[in-house]
Amino acid sequence: SQQGEEDPQALSIQEGENATMNCSYKTSINNLQWYRQNSGRGLVHLILIRSNEREKHSGRLRVTLDTSKKSSSLLITASRAADTASYFCATGDRGSTLGRLYFGRGTQLTVWP
Amino acid sequence: KAGVTQTPRYLIKTRGQQVTLSCSPISGHRSVSWYQQTPGQGLQFLFEYFSETQRNKGNFPGRFSGRQFSNSRSEMNVSTLELGDSALYLCASSLVPRENTGELFFGEGSRLTVL
Repeated sequence: SQQGEEDPQALSIQEGENATMNCSYKTSINNLQWYRQNSGRGLVHLILIRSNEREKHSGRLRVTLDTSKKSSSLLITASRAADTASYFCATGDRGSTLGRLYFGRGTQLTVWP
Repeated sequence: KAGVTQTPRYLIKTRGQQVTLSCSPISGHRSVSWYQQTPGQGLQFLFEYFSETQRNKGNFPGRFSGRQFSNSRSEMNVSTLELGDSALYLCASSLVPRENTGELFFGEGSRLTVL
């Protein structure tokens, strides 16, 4: 069964605004990852946060993880039209191998120029 | 460094036929995973291979199979195709299959349409 569930399903903002997406999961994890997918293309890894970390930054991305609530958020600051894509959180069961990840349904982000 | 290469990118088949999809991982990556992506079910894990051995398998019928070769290239096969098999099939590779310690590198996918 899928672990990650993103919220909202769709998000529409103007360039320059911040975009926040949330992810909830069900079981214990070693880490949580966020991926981006442009329409019909492959997924691109954005950032990984380990279960013992609470916050991580990478460029305009900020990820938080709350293991007590089993939730994570991805913040994209100063959004650009090029950020338009679907964003997925992915988790793996503790003890599972790397290649088996559970993906949520994704958040479709649209950034208008 | 070349990325993950999947072939073919697009293909159309009819019900009952079979299909073979190919994936060449990033050089040096020995772990390959396959995912099926559909609008209804999202991204679902198919299987994972490392050193020519299947390490994990998702909840798919036996019509879905795969294998990995000694050069880490992988193929997946779907026999007796059904309309519901229409999907984007994504291959991902990773450097080492340690427990959830790194990122997956995805190919552009093979878009299968079953008529």
